[in-house]
Amino acid sequence: DTGVSQNPRHKITKRGQNVTFRCDPISEHNRLYWYRQTLGQGPEFLTYFQNEAQLEKSRLLSDRFSAERPKGSFSTLEIQRTEQGDSAMYLCASRGSGGANEQFFGPGTRLTVL
Amino acid sequence: AQKVTQAQTEISVVEKEDVTLDCVYETRDTTYYLFWYKQPPSGELVFLIRRNSFDEQNEISGRYSWNFQKSTSSFNFTITASQVVDSAVYFCALSDDRGSTLGRLYFGRGTQLTVWP
Repeated sequence: DTGVSQNPRHKITKRGQNVTFRCDPISEHNRLYWYRQTLGQGPEFLTYFQNEAQLEKSRLLSDRFSAERPKGSFSTLEIQRTEQGDSAMYLCASRGSGGANEQFFGPGTRLTVL
Repeated sequence: AQKVTQAQTEISVVEKEDVTLDCVYETRDTTYYLFWYKQPPSGELVFLIRRNSFDEQNEISGRYSWNFQKSTSSFNFTITASQVVDSAVYFCALSDDRGSTLGRLYFGRGTQLTVWP
């Protein structure tokens, strides 16, 4: 499968715990995006990487959130001290550097904070 | 600021009916891109179409067609002869592809389409 993959697909955690999600983009794509989607809403932008550089962060990304893309390939999104309001679907998307600018999304990680 | 409005929260149709999903956008940019994505119950967003702001030509792909009108800032999506498999949430999105954000998508709230057999 050459699409975007995300792991885990589901995560249930207790409030206050730390969680980490992983995204593997399409291999030749140098641009990677994270979005968050809550029930009944469209996805909201969290952060953007071009290669290993994190170029943009939304104000939705509080200091409890951190994202990395250490070698310009896979990316991780960590949430520290989770809160119930963090419960959402976390989506990763990737995009190539050419003219076509559509983003291709992974299946998402659904986080439930109890 | 960029904004996408999908006023229709839910639409129900019977199979073989035609259905149009509305999308209205706001942007101050002269160059921008519009997208439609489909989100089936499995949850994965599936890319359907991209349209550049300087190309107002309508597009047809099988049962799908898109009507882009800059004069009304609309990018509507029509499914002809709907099928049960078309049941999903459909999102319209906008990006400006400039500056540091380089293509972040602004999504509408989505339209839940249910096609009954």
